[in-house]
Amino acid sequence: NAGVTQTPKFQVLKTGQSMTLQCAQDMNHEYMSWYRQDPGMGLRLIHYSVGAGITDQGEVPNGYNVSRSTTEDFPLRLLSAAPSQTSVYFCASSYLGQGGYTFGSGTRLTVV
Amino acid sequence: EDKVVQSPLSLVVHEGDTVTLNCSYEVTNFRSLLWYKQEKKAPTFLFMLTSSGIEKKSGRLSSILDKKELFSILNITATQTGDSAVYLCAVEDNTNAGKSTFGDGTTLTVKP
Repeated sequence: NAGVTQTPKFQVLKTGQSMTLQCAQDMNHEYMSWYRQDPGMGLRLIHYSVGAGITDQGEVPNGYNVSRSTTEDFPLRLLSAAPSQTSVYFCASSYLGQGGYTFGSGTRLTVV
Repeated sequence: EDKVVQSPLSLVVHEGDTVTLNCSYEVTNFRSLLWYKQEKKAPTFLFMLTSSGIEKKSGRLSSILDKKELFSILNITATQTGDSAVYLCAVEDNTNAGKSTFGDGTTLTVKP
């Protein structure tokens, strides 16, 4: 199994540009989440989903949109990139909240 | 709002030492507490502690949960250089299934 696959691994954006970070999992997990991690800090929840068609906001949702049209995919859209969104982004999934999350390898995003 | 505080922020030990990492939390409706290890890349799951499982052990790592005092500890005995990592603590809230709140982590450095 591939687990949780995130693309791209690295991205540089100019201020004001938009983009979509892709996340796919092949474990049939209901729960999926997006986190950002800034240097020396833990993970902050951006958006999360408990199943297809259901999404909710986390701690830091401003400037980001998500959708969950299928169980497998949970893309994160940056609407108008800002330097404050420079961070490492992790997608994660778990089965009905049992046990810990399985994380993707991360996307390092730089906004200039 | 759920809150997780980890201490110490960083720790330097020598191989063979025993370390104790602390995690205190505030959560509206406790579901579980999770420990993760993060080396350079994505976090990997270590333990999940719940009301029905307040002690976990795997090799040299062990963890306990004190639901009355709202904290957990992660113990690592006979430390090795491969234990060097950031250790993250997170809590899940029953009120918002699928939502995890992370602490800022403890950076452990094990010197030869």
